[in-house]
Amino acid sequence: DVKVTQSSRYLVKRTGEKVFLECVQDMDHENMFWYRQDPGLGLRLIYFSYDVKMKEKGDIPEGYSVSREKKERFSLILESASTNQTSMYLCASSSPPGKYEQFFGPGTRLTVL
Amino acid sequence: SQQGEEDPQALSIQEGENATMNCSYKTSINNLQWYRQNSGRGLVHLILIRSNEREKHSGRLRVTLDTSKKSSSLLITASRAADTASYFCATDLLPNTNAGKSTFGDGTTLTVKP
Repeated sequence: DVKVTQSSRYLVKRTGEKVFLECVQDMDHENMFWYRQDPGLGLRLIYFSYDVKMKEKGDIPEGYSVSREKKERFSLILESASTNQTSMYLCASSSPPGKYEQFFGPGTRLTVL
Repeated sequence: SQQGEEDPQALSIQEGENATMNCSYKTSINNLQWYRQNSGRGLVHLILIRSNEREKHSGRLRVTLDTSKKSSSLLITASRAADTASYFCATDLLPNTNAGKSTFGDGTTLTVKP
């Protein structure tokens, strides 16, 4: 059974803290994605990666960075968390070519106080 | 703004009724997908329809695509309480040199009352 796991379901951090969100997939997928989901705004792409050490900015990369040192792991980093980064964060993976179905993790609900 | 926009934003029906939700998009697409999200969870892929297809079925799901109107619809027949969820369309744009990058809409929240 395919699986995407995220390190935490719920996370509470303070303003200014450095935050790491981890995502691991066991499907040997090339592509991995980080989204944030906010009410009324749908899913917005933060960053994606199509290979190890490769990354591209999505629609809202400001305030975030990513790391992909191994194929199965894609990390989202908030260098200095702010209250407007309180959100649900969803990780997904998919495998090219011609395969667009994305497999999602359960999400991490991050609250920044 | 988002490439895909779902309509209606919210839909409430009785068990056994059919549910129809629509998605409109702005630019030419390669594929269009529908996903379901149960409350507070990740999304689950339901169905993909390619730009050269007009209709596709999967169990109680029927998806249509009208590229001339840049719209798609998802029909769930004989709905069940377990169908209560949010439904998102996702468009894969042309050209798509970065395979798998999709743009999601805001979603339709479906409530099926027992």
